[in-house]
Amino acid sequence: DTGVSQDPRHKITKRGQNVTFRCDPISEHNRLYWYRQTLGQGPEFLTYFQNEAQLEKSRLLSDRFSAERPKGSFSTLEIQRTEQGDSAMYLCASSFRDSGFGANVLTFGAGSRLTVL
Amino acid sequence: RKEVEQDPGPFNVPEGATVAFNCTYSNSASQSFFWYRQDCRKEPKLLMSVYSSGNEDGRFTAQLNRASQYISLLIRDSKLSDSATYLCVVTDSNTGNQFYFGTGTSLTVIP
Repeated sequence: DTGVSQDPRHKITKRGQNVTFRCDPISEHNRLYWYRQTLGQGPEFLTYFQNEAQLEKSRLLSDRFSAERPKGSFSTLEIQRTEQGDSAMYLCASSFRDSGFGANVLTFGAGSRLTVL
Repeated sequence: RKEVEQDPGPFNVPEGATVAFNCTYSNSASQSFFWYRQDCRKEPKLLMSVYSSGNEDGRFTAQLNRASQYISLLIRDSKLSDSATYLCVVTDSNTGNQFYFGTGTSLTVIP
């Protein structure tokens, strides 16, 4: 396993277009998170899945954003009608969490950098 | 109020120096604590978890003060390769599933 993979690494699009990012987590991880990071800021939580269930969404995730994890493996994050303010690094992370309160540590992918012109 | 607050720096220190970063968190019931390191235009990577009793990994020492709600990271004998942004991370109190990141503290180690 090579870790968390994200695709594409870079995306340049025009305002109003739709974009989709894909994340392949570490195979034995049941949790998958999406974060957004802008310059000079820490990652901001967008949403997370446990297996295929989307358990929580941030208020940052407007109705233009949608995320799926259809078979509990890879996930997609789609942004519709992109705006210049959507320009950011979109980070995916995965973790394994059992039913107890064992360590839940995030491993990040390299990110997908979005530029909206 | 932000869940996690850090001094963004930048901290510019000479090689061999000792440098310390602090981070405060707002929720006294937060469960887990971490320091992540992020190099320029790269993804965050786990540096170390922070345990109540304090823990050390080589030149790095992390401490947690629950009463004052702060976490610290001490780097001894700084190396050029330590130059990076250090992110303080705290999980939520209910489930430990939600991770809150600070804005990060920028460190540059100067030859």
